[in-house]
Amino acid sequence: DQQVKQNSPSLSVQEGRISILNCDYTNSMFDYFLWYKKYPAEGPTFLISISSIKDKNEDGRFTVFLNKSAKHLSLHIVPSQPGDSAVYFCAASGGTDSWGKFQFGAGTQVVVTP
Amino acid sequence: KAGVTQTPRYLIKTRGQQVTLSCSPISGHRSVSWYQQTPGQGLQFLFEYFSETQRNKGNFPGRFSGRQFSNSRSEMNVSTLELGDSALYLCASSLTGRQNIQYFGAGTRLSVL
Repeated sequence: DQQVKQNSPSLSVQEGRISILNCDYTNSMFDYFLWYKKYPAEGPTFLISISSIKDKNEDGRFTVFLNKSAKHLSLHIVPSQPGDSAVYFCAASGGTDSWGKFQFGAGTQVVVTP
Repeated sequence: KAGVTQTPRYLIKTRGQQVTLSCSPISGHRSVSWYQQTPGQGLQFLFEYFSETQRNKGNFPGRFSGRQFSNSRSEMNVSTLELGDSALYLCASSLTGRQNIQYFGAGTRLSVL
């Protein structure tokens, strides 16, 4: 049962433009969300977090938006840079069995072109 | 501050053998979680340890086990290896394991032949 979904397996964006990555979840108990970037043969690198008490969090070029009623979050990267080319995962946690456990989406491959 | 360290980085084993993977968390982090990443299933939660106790467990067979030491370092063991156990095994640490950022190590790539 896939509780976190990233429906776009890939995204191509021009350098300097905005990248928008989307993530949907089904479990209403999820209350804490993370975004990660991953390069091949490396572990995921933390980008930004948001808890359910907020609807937006910004950190430099990265902004995460949370729409609890729609069970949807998105990551905006502005401006996109070639070094942003990687796989991006959203992850969600919450509920009674959430100790140390995040549910991950399948990932979105982002390619930033010059 | 040193990050999460996983050893070894690569392992090749044959079916039926057992393997032990090691994880050293970020200093001060007491929660250690393990995940399996495969192309077909993505990142799947294995288990979490906090203060030497397993607090949470994913849907994996009993061949997968772990432990945590008093210094928060953790080990994961897989017995009677199967071909399907070939995967990237990732360890993540956080302060308390709840509503905390998880920081990942580089992973151990296990190949079962």
